[in-house]
Amino acid sequence: KNEVEQSPQNLTAQEGEFITINCSYSVGISALHWLQQHPGGGIVSLFMLSSGKKKHGRLIATINIQEKHSSLHITASHPRDSAVYICAVSRLKGNTDKLIFGTGTRLQVFP
Amino acid sequence: EAGVAQSPRYKIIEKRQSVAFWCNPISGHATLYWYQQILGQGPKLLIQFQNNGVVDDSQLPKDRFSAERLKGVDSTLKIQPAKLEDSAVYLCASSPPEGSGRGQYFGPGTRLTVL
Repeated sequence: KNEVEQSPQNLTAQEGEFITINCSYSVGISALHWLQQHPGGGIVSLFMLSSGKKKHGRLIATINIQEKHSSLHITASHPRDSAVYICAVSRLKGNTDKLIFGTGTRLQVFP
Repeated sequence: EAGVAQSPRYKIIEKRQSVAFWCNPISGHATLYWYQQILGQGPKLLIQFQNNGVVDDSQLPKDRFSAERLKGVDSTLKIQPAKLEDSAVYLCASSPPEGSGRGQYFGPGTRLTVL
């Protein structure tokens, strides 16, 4: 079993829909990251959170430490949101940060 | 601030050839990471440097992969000789000094295709 599980693996939506991507983890963490990867391969960090909720534009990320679960929400989705969304957790190893990645959720938003 | 730079962006080689990738982290970032991401999978850490020292290379296939960060700034990752299964995106990331809690910053990646 992977230490970080995401669902769904693939998601299609119509423009304007509200989207939720879920992430569960089974290890102790110092922080959880939501990352966005476009087809070219580069990764952009969307959020890093260790408790509660963060919002940036149409994106909202929440985390429940007790339940070891996080969600990424996209409101009023748009075709440019089409990408792979990756959940990763940070584990402190010595003095540095070790990331454990989920396998990603591929989102396609159609006009 | 300038982001993490990587080159080349794309590389196509034949099996058994050699290839090298370059990464320049964000200025002041002491920690540098190389990841391998095979299509459909999450990134896998290959090697982690703290300044010019190796912190973790437990998943680096040392018979064919090597990496260096001689002056504690930019880094190169080399594959020699390449195999078909090395086809992947190679991502470089860097992170600020320990305790800043600001996570890792990723470069655009190098997509390697081995024919």
